[in-house]
Amino acid sequence: DAGVIQSPRHEVTEMGQEVTLRCKPISGHDYLFWYRQTMMRGLELLIYFNNNVPIDDSGMPEDRFSAKMPNASFSTLKIQPSEPRDSAVYFCASSLSSGVYGYTFGSGTRLTVV
Amino acid sequence: EDQVTQSPEALRLQEGESSSLNCSYTVSGLRGLFWYRQDPGKGPEFLFTLYSAGEEKEKERLKATLTKKESFLHITAPKPEDSATYLCAVRGAAGNKLTFGGGTRVLVKP
Repeated sequence: DAGVIQSPRHEVTEMGQEVTLRCKPISGHDYLFWYRQTMMRGLELLIYFNNNVPIDDSGMPEDRFSAKMPNASFSTLKIQPSEPRDSAVYFCASSLSSGVYGYTFGSGTRLTVV
Repeated sequence: EDQVTQSPEALRLQEGESSSLNCSYTVSGLRGLFWYRQDPGKGPEFLFTLYSAGEEKEKERLKATLTKKESFLHITAPKPEDSATYLCAVRGAAGNKLTFGGGTRVLVKP
């Protein structure tokens, strides 16, 4: 298995623009998570899905952020409009419900909003 | 709300100098304490899951232990390739999410 695949790896955008981050989880995993990592706040959970259904979005900063999972093999995180304070590394992770093999993270998308 | 605190924030070791990293946690109904390794520019890489006090797991020079309030990651005779940030996370009774600590940056000098 190729693991969790995220795209793009790097994104530089101007303030006010729409940004879409993409994630392909490991086949067969029924949970998908979006995390954000910054030096100041570490790894923060934004939202997670179970069987494509959003379960907990309490970590989504505000209405500018939205996430979808239209099927078991694809998820997106959208920021509209983007702001400089959104600059961070965004990670997608997937797992089985048992979690016994851990949660597998992708390589992340480094977002810079200028 | 689940909380995880890791110490120290940074650790500089000489090659071969063993040490321990601490992870203190508060959680409602622990359903797993996870250790990850993260290299610069990469996502966290799973190391261990511990489920109950007294449990221990080992992988090469790493050994993780768990009590009711904290976990330790022992690094025995570290090598430069063990340099990384080590992250601790807990999964509680409320949902299937992981709550992470701030991590310990480990630098092993030859």
